[in-house]
Amino acid sequence: EADIYQTPRYLVIGTGKKITLECSQTMGHDKMYWYQQDPGMELHLIHYSYGVNSTEKGDLSSESTVSRIRTEHFPLTLESARPSHTSQYLCASSGGRHTEAFFGQGTRLTVV
Amino acid sequence: AQSVTQLDSHVSVSEGTPVLLRCNYSSSYSPSLFWYVQHPNKGLQLLLKYTSAATLVKGINGFEAEFKKSETSFHLTKPSAHMSDAAEYFCVVSETGGFKTIFGAGTRLFVKA
Repeated sequence: EADIYQTPRYLVIGTGKKITLECSQTMGHDKMYWYQQDPGMELHLIHYSYGVNSTEKGDLSSESTVSRIRTEHFPLTLESARPSHTSQYLCASSGGRHTEAFFGQGTRLTVV
Repeated sequence: AQSVTQLDSHVSVSEGTPVLLRCNYSSSYSPSLFWYVQHPNKGLQLLLKYTSAATLVKGINGFEAEFKKSETSFHLTKPSAHMSDAAEYFCVVSETGGFKTIFGAGTRLFVKA
């Protein structure tokens, strides 16, 4: 059973609000990722991290930011939410003997 | 550069009949290949992975996939579909030892009673 957790599962928020999506893993993985997935569409990598204090932009441009102060924690922040940010956000991690990525349950964000 | 193409956006089968979900990839290096499944309102779950060992890979829930380097394919199969198999399936390629992971667009599997 993969131990990677995302909170909240669902979030409805007004335009202009600042939000942070939480992602934590207890597997000691060094690599962590954020993917964005619109309904019925493919996953796009928006951020990734090699380890503590390492963050990189992914293939899809995103107005969100991330931080990696601790190995187990990789939060994603939107300073001012807009309706265009409405999507599902999936966090994942990999590392050690695991070549595959383990995914959280996702956060479904709706900005109204 | 890596890329992955899932040849069918939707596949519909009857319960008890075989499932075939097609995936082609390209990679400049030795790839690792994966299939993930995503049920509605759930996260992604790993079905199986290929990492340069046996070319026929067995996964969970009766799924398997065969790595064919000459055809650059990694098709997912199951002998007999169950209603619970209805979901979105993603083929994924990652460079062995590398970092970026590329997802296919997904194939939605429908299973008819």
